[in-house]
Amino acid sequence: DAGVIQSPRHEVTEMGQEVTLRCKPISGHNSLFWYRQTMMRGLELLIYFNNNVPIDDSGMPEDRFSAKMPNASFSTLKIQPSEPRDSAVYFCASSLNGQETQYFGPGTRLLVL
Amino acid sequence: AQSVAQPEDQVNVAEGNPLTVKCTYSVSGNPYLFWYVQYPNRGLQFLLKYITGDNLVKGSYGFEAEFNKSQTSFHLKKPSALVSDSALYFCAVRDDGSWGKFQFGAGTQVVVTP
Repeated sequence: DAGVIQSPRHEVTEMGQEVTLRCKPISGHNSLFWYRQTMMRGLELLIYFNNNVPIDDSGMPEDRFSAKMPNASFSTLKIQPSEPRDSAVYFCASSLNGQETQYFGPGTRLLVL
Repeated sequence: AQSVAQPEDQVNVAEGNPLTVKCTYSVSGNPYLFWYVQYPNRGLQFLLKYITGDNLVKGSYGFEAEFNKSQTSFHLKKPSALVSDSALYFCAVRDDGSWGKFQFGAGTQVVVTP
């Protein structure tokens, strides 16, 4: 199995630009999670989906962040407009039915200048 | 509500010595407990989990963890540490009533010296 795939692996952008992060979960997994990791705040859950439906987006920091899951094999996390404080590593994870082990992707390292 | 604490920011151990990384938790229901490891510039990798059954759980790379309900702890252990075990370790908890939502600890940096 290829595992969870994320793209891009690195993104450098300027403040105010739109950023789109992409995730392909493990085939057969029906739950998908977006996390953000920073030195100051550690690992934070932003949003998670079950069967392509957002279940809990209470961790999304503000309206500049949005996430979609148009089908079982693809999800995006969008930041518009981006700000320097959004600089972090963003992880996608997937699991079976949300109750089992979560498997993480390699992450996208985002730097907003 | 659920929470997890990793009381040590860093653990230093000499290669060949036993390694212990501490984790305590609080949940309102029955706990589902996990350990993950993160190497530099990598995603989190699953090590082991406790859902039910035997309190001693064995996982990847020679790691094991003991579930202690009375002390609400789930410490990670390895009898003989390797330099390659140097990494960031995360404990995570979910109670059986909170579908999908894991609570991760702050992480413990393990440094194994030759």
